[in-house]
Amino acid sequence: GAGVSQSPSNKVTEKGKDVELRCDPISGHTALYWYRQSLGQGLEFLIYFQGNSAPDKSGLPSDRFSAERTGGSVSTLTIQRTQQEDSAVYLCASSLVGREFYGYTFGSGTRLTVV
Amino acid sequence: SQQGEEDPQALSIQEGENATMNCSYKTSINNLQWYRQNSGRGLVHLILIRSNEREKHSGRLRVTLDTSKKSSSLLITASRAADTASYFCAETSGSRLTFGEGTQLTVNP
Repeated sequence: GAGVSQSPSNKVTEKGKDVELRCDPISGHTALYWYRQSLGQGLEFLIYFQGNSAPDKSGLPSDRFSAERTGGSVSTLTIQRTQQEDSAVYLCASSLVGREFYGYTFGSGTRLTVV
Repeated sequence: SQQGEEDPQALSIQEGENATMNCSYKTSINNLQWYRQNSGRGLVHLILIRSNEREKHSGRLRVTLDTSKKSSSLLITASRAADTASYFCAETSGSRLTFGEGTQLTVNP
């Protein structure tokens, strides 16, 4: 596609429920990142996928968070047993190569609200 | 995790004035990037400066990098109301892109 697509754009869920967030990167982009951003804050790194390499999961805040990337394209971020502190905008970004020289293209994000 | 720090946190100027935002970082970077964010959603890549570069221009944007001070600045010349947004620097070290807290720029018409 022309850009990075994320769905849903907004999600309200009850505390304790599981949620899945989806990211469709730009076709051909080998690198994919997930970040989250709390209100008025900077971006917090969550996870990084690059080609067929093992993902860098070092930013995931707890074992309730997991992500996968199928076929080197679409990625899903799953949050189990959601908590109120999980409320944030979850942003996905992709890059043409696993390097930084081209900059990253971000999606519009999924705003998650846990009530 | 280490993060850059933008200065100032908020900046309000009149249309036509120049806006300067500064960023300090902590790691040995491969490059440093600047992004813009409107309304708390997706970020737009503005400009990238490599660690061996000292200055770079793109339209009304001018970025400088001082690796000895581990700092960068973003200058927006002849600002417009449409430039109102949050601006983030992001340091690249290895595979990770680490963002600062951002500067909220308001350009008053």
